Parts: sequence; structure tokens; C-alpha cells
Amino acid sequence: GAVVSQHPSWVICKSGTSVKIECRSLDFQATTMFWYRQFPKQSLMLMATSNEGSKATYEQGVEKDKFLINHASLTLSTLTVTSAHPEDSSFYICSARPVDRGYNEQFFGPGTRLTVL
Amino acid sequence: TQLLEQSPQFLSIQEGENLTVYCNSSSVFSSLQWYRQEPGEGPVLLVTVVTGGEVKKLKRLTFQFGDARKDSSLHITAAQPGDTGLYLCAGEGDTDKLIFGTGTRLQVFP
Repeated sequence: GAVVSQHPSWVICKSGTSVKIECRSLDFQATTMFWYRQFPKQSLMLMATSNEGSKATYEQGVEKDKFLINHASLTLSTLTVTSAHPEDSSFYICSARPVDRGYNEQFFGPGTRLTVL
Repeated sequence: TQLLEQSPQFLSIQEGENLTVYCNSSSVFSSLQWYRQEPGEGPVLLVTVVTGGEVKKLKRLTFQFGDARKDSSLHITAAQPGDTGLYLCAGEGDTDKLIFGTGTRLQVFP
């Protein structure tokens, strides 16, 4: 149980294009999903917290107009990197928190490797 | 600002050795999770500890939450190459977010 999927697993795009990444909780419902970014050999950096049916909460320094987040249902959140540039190349990971947990236990997707040329 | 410092940052050992990874903070956490991450993949949840002083075992892995809920440790007995990976602790802070530790990269050689 507690499986989270991400799609695509990797994407290569040209500078200036937009890329959408999907995050799905497959066998549980999640009112809250999280989006992280990870640089090589570093820990995870939280970008934003996504709540079903409401606007995402972005961490300081993360541009909300560049990283659009939509959490349309209890099992799906999407991250769209708009007008991507080479500096946006990174490993993006989502996580989901089951609705029935009393504490913040998160289950992670396998990640999406974004390369912007 | 709540921070979690992990030590050591890197650890390279031979198969069969024991090791301990520490996760320390000056802040109190209501729960703490340990994850293992392999290259190119997402972190996998190993354990959640909630009560101060709690000890949990997962085969050769022993996790302990400090009495004051400010620190935690992960002890691996008789390490195996399959234990290789990035170990991350993460504490549940004041908000609906996890505070991730700085990470410990473990390499176990056969």
C-alpha cells in the first residue's frame, strides 16, 4: 500500500517550453501533496504544499508563476514548469500524505528528471 | 527556523560492519521519519517514531527517538551492500511540512 506514481519519469525539453509533471496516489487519498526539488548529492528542498481544492502554498524563493501547481482531486496533483530554462533542470519529487494519518508521514513518488536544453 | 543536522555526512564501510547515523536538532518534533533513497529514485519510508524514547526495529535497522523528541539515531547491524543509499531523517515541525535532514550517504563495499 501507499504507492505514489509520477509521470513522466524523465523529460528533455527546449528552453522556453512548458512541462507538466503528474503525481498520483494510487491506493490512498491525499488531501495534501508536496513538491520537492533535489540537486545532485543534496537533500530535498520543499517547493510547495498542495492542498486539494485550494491554492498551493509556496516556499520562500519559489516563483508561483513559474511553478504552477494544481491539486484537482484527492489523488492527483500536477506541477507545471512554465517557460523552462536550463537552470530549472533538476530532479523533481512529489509526495503525498494519507488523509487518515495523525502525523505527517509522506510517501514519495519515484521522481521526474527534467533536463532543459 | 527548525533544522535537522545529520552526521556523518558520508560513510564508507565494509560489509559486516556496524554503523550509527545521527539526526540532531534544537527543536522538538511531534514525529520523525527515516527514509532511504537510491540514485534516481524517490525516498522510501523506513519508519516513523512518535513517542520520546521510542525504539523501533526493522530487521537489522534499529531506530531510536530521543527522550526530548529533538534527536534520533539509526543503527545498522552487519551492513550489507544492499544498505547503500542516502539516508534522510525528517521531522514534523510546527507546520504541515516535514523538515528534512542534511542526509547521510552510505556506501557498503562487499
